[in-house]
Amino acid sequence: QQPVQSPQAVILREGEDAVINCSSSKALYSVHWYRQKHGEAPVFLMILLKGGEQKGHDKISASFNEKKQQSSLYLTASQLSYSGTYFCGTEANAGGTSYGKLTFGQGTILTVHP
Amino acid sequence: DTGVSQNPRHKITKRGQNVTFRCDPISEHNRLYWYRQTLGQGPEFLTYFQNEAQLEKSRLLSDRFSAERPKGSFSTLEIQRTEQGDSAMYLCASSTRQGTNYGYTFGSGTRLTVV
Repeated sequence: QQPVQSPQAVILREGEDAVINCSSSKALYSVHWYRQKHGEAPVFLMILLKGGEQKGHDKISASFNEKKQQSSLYLTASQLSYSGTYFCGTEANAGGTSYGKLTFGQGTILTVHP
Repeated sequence: DTGVSQNPRHKITKRGQNVTFRCDPISEHNRLYWYRQTLGQGPEFLTYFQNEAQLEKSRLLSDRFSAERPKGSFSTLEIQRTEQGDSAMYLCASSTRQGTNYGYTFGSGTRLTVV
């Protein structure tokens, strides 16, 4: 079943912060985050493995609450280059074996204005 | 490594024709995935290979779709008797479980238009 992302769209001015949420009904092994710009392929941002870790990548960070099967992506001090559609991809916890197959959310459109 | 390469970038075909797409993954990646993406939606899983073995195929995929990965290198996705509903972007991605970077590297995709 597809994870649910919220909000569906966000409009920001440069320098503002945003949070994008991803929620799954399944037990998860990992959560991936990708950014896709119009007409381009999705680009990997980061992966969070079960264990409730939080990771950072420049001014973009993410958390993963394994018990709630939720992940959040935090974008701080947004830049124009952050504009795009953000997807979470969830990998189900297949009892210790996983093919790495991801199920993607419907996406969150982020627009950053000057 | 130049990343994941997909060919062709665009394909326009008449309904009922067969089409074949090619994906060349990152050479050290043993996992290869095919996804389909339509406008405004996230990528939808089609099939997965580990080396040359096709380990999973989406139940949504009809018998008109077939994929191969001979010798665990490049992969092909064939759609027979295309229908207008097959129009979409077909994405290939590769990954590895080596080290700590499990993320997908996507190719630029093949945009299929069935007229």
